[in-house]
Amino acid sequence: GAVVSQHPSWVICKSGTSVKIECRSLDFQATTMFWYRQFPKQSLMLMATSNEGSKATYEQGVEKDKFLINHASLTLSTLTVTSAHPEDSSFYICSAEDGLNTEAFFGQGTRLTVV
Amino acid sequence: KNQVEQSPQSLIILEGKNCTLQCNYTVSPFSNLRWYKQDTGRGPVSLTIMTFSENTKSNGRYTATLDADTKQSSLHITASQLSDSASYICVVGLKTSYDKVIFGPGTSLSVIP
Repeated sequence: GAVVSQHPSWVICKSGTSVKIECRSLDFQATTMFWYRQFPKQSLMLMATSNEGSKATYEQGVEKDKFLINHASLTLSTLTVTSAHPEDSSFYICSAEDGLNTEAFFGQGTRLTVV
Repeated sequence: KNQVEQSPQSLIILEGKNCTLQCNYTVSPFSNLRWYKQDTGRGPVSLTIMTFSENTKSNGRYTATLDADTKQSSLHITASQLSDSASYICVVGLKTSYDKVIFGPGTSLSVIP
């Protein structure tokens, strides 16, 4: 199947700093990418839908100014957690669809720890 | 309300045994149903994807079934292995003008020797 690469796989940052997470579709073009957040022992929670060349669509309750999403190309979307706080510590996962068979391919996830 | 439920919440089985995980959904309009395997600390990996017209699909030791009338799906794992220990997530896609999926809460499977 198609490959989605997410980087970094884990990051530790100080409270108040910003962290950028990259999501790349390696062998296909993804017009739409999705960003999820997952807390321990819970399922994925959709944060936002990222469309190439346009503004992301955020789910209710997700602060767009805190979680900046950029989808500058058909193979790259980035999520920047701005002014991170300990409560932002979580597992962030991206996914991308190739638009051909409704299949969604997930990145390996990024474990963010804010200290 | 669009919702996906899974049962059991968690399951422990002996290596080599079979097991079946359940998924019930109230999602409309229905587009497709997917089963994913998620290892701890990793992103989900696709196992099967079924559309309305498909009622069974296999991927190695994994066999998924879909009853679109009763809005139920199952994932059967045959001859379980220790590496099958993971969370199994049922995801239902909506047939809308934009991509929208509803995630189930997952079933945590532990395979023990």
